[in-house]
Amino acid sequence: DTGVSQDPRHKITKRGQNVTFRCDPISEHNRLYWYRQTLGQGPEFLTYFQNEAQLEKSRLLSDRFSAERPKGSFSTLEIQRTEQGDSAMYLCASSPGTGNEGEAFFGQGTRLTVV
Amino acid sequence: GNSVTQMEGPVTLSEEAFLTINCTYTATGYPSLFWYVQYPGEGLQLLLKATKADDKGSNKGFEATYRKETTSFHLEKGSVQVSDSAVYFCALTRNTGGFKTIFGAGTRLFVKA
Repeated sequence: DTGVSQDPRHKITKRGQNVTFRCDPISEHNRLYWYRQTLGQGPEFLTYFQNEAQLEKSRLLSDRFSAERPKGSFSTLEIQRTEQGDSAMYLCASSPGTGNEGEAFFGQGTRLTVV
Repeated sequence: GNSVTQMEGPVTLSEEAFLTINCTYTATGYPSLFWYVQYPGEGLQLLLKATKADDKGSNKGFEATYRKETTSFHLEKGSVQVSDSAVYFCALTRNTGGFKTIFGAGTRLFVKA
């Protein structure tokens, strides 16, 4: 298993454009999370999937953000009409469905720069 | 709500010095506690964890003990190396239906040779 992979690693986009990121979790993990990390801060929770069901969304996830996990495997995070404030590292993580003892396994992130 | 507070950095130490990074948490019930590390240019990696009170997590010479009475999970290492230079994040998970991880702001550690 190669761990959690994210694509692309870096994305530069113009303000107002739409962007989509992909996350491939560890194959046997049924929980998938998206986080956002800005410089000098810890990751902040955005949303969570249990298999294909999106069970929780943070207040940080405005209506310009949408996430999907259509078959309970990979997930996509789309940001519409990007703003400069969306510039951040977007992290994906997965964990097995075995209670809260299991740690999350993180991908290396997608760094978004909105110019 | 649930939250994690850790000491501000940066922390600068000489090689072989003793390290303590303080972490306290606020949570209802019985969270699991973690330390993650982020080396330059790399993703977050789990360093150690503890799932119940008085548990001690340890890895790579680092240790942290889950103290419910003081709601703390301080990270310690007896002798740091230059290769330990990184950002360290204290975190917790709670069974709130999603087990999402809540992170502190991170503490940057610089170790000088």
